[in-house]
Amino acid sequence: EAQVTQNPRYLITVTGKKLTVTCSQNMNHEYMSWYRQDPGLGLRQIYYSMNVEVTDKGDVPEGYKVSRKEKRNFPLILESPSPNQTSLYFCASSQSSSLGWGYTFGSGTRLTVV
Amino acid sequence: AQSVAQPEDQVNVAEGNPLTVKCTYSVSGNPYLFWYVQYPNRGLQFLLKYITGDNLVKGSYGFEAEFNKSQTSFHLKKPSALVSDSALYFCAVRDSISGGSYIPTFGRGTSLIVHP
Repeated sequence: EAQVTQNPRYLITVTGKKLTVTCSQNMNHEYMSWYRQDPGLGLRQIYYSMNVEVTDKGDVPEGYKVSRKEKRNFPLILESPSPNQTSLYFCASSQSSSLGWGYTFGSGTRLTVV
Repeated sequence: AQSVAQPEDQVNVAEGNPLTVKCTYSVSGNPYLFWYVQYPNRGLQFLLKYITGDNLVKGSYGFEAEFNKSQTSFHLKKPSALVSDSALYFCAVRDSISGGSYIPTFGRGTSLIVHP
C-alpha cells in the first residue's frame, strides 16, 4: 500500500531533550515536507525537500532540523524541544515539486513538550 | 504572494441536504487549487484539484468544486451530505508565479458537521 509512515504517533517529552520524528514513504516521491497543525492556525510548513540532499526552510523552521540522506526518509529533529513546539505534526510527500501535484500525508505525530 | 481564506470555521448541514464549504484565494499568477479532508485522528487526504480546464472539478467521495476566476473562489460542494462527511476540510493554493518556491499555502480549515 502506498503510504507515508510517521513514528511515533504520540510522544510526551521534557524540555530540552532531543527527539526525532521519523517519516518514510514508499512511493519513490521526490518531494517531502513537514507541517505542524495548531488550532486556529491551520497547517504551517516547517521544512521541505525537493530531492535527496536538498532541503529548505518553510514558514516556521526555528527550532527544527531535517535531513534527506535517502529518498524515502525525511526525519524531523528537535534538538532542544520547548513547550511552544507542542503540536500535531504531519509529514507529506509528492511525486514532484511541480505545481499540479497533490500531497500524500502521514497519520500525524502528536507531540507534547512539558 | 499567495494566500487562501476559509471564511467559516464551522459549517452545519442536515444529512441529505447540499453542502458548500467556501474557499477564496489570492495569487499573482495562475492558481493551482486543492481540497483535502482530515478525519479525526488521521492525516489529510487529497480530495480534488484544479489546474486548468473545466471550472467544475469532480473528486473523491462525491465531492466537487467550482473554480470561479472572477470571484477568486474555489468552493467545495456535495449535492447530498452524509453523516460520514463530518470532518475538517482544508483548501490549499499554489501560485504559478512562485519565485522558485513551490510551497502551497493551506487555509485554516473548516469543520463540517452533518447532523442526522
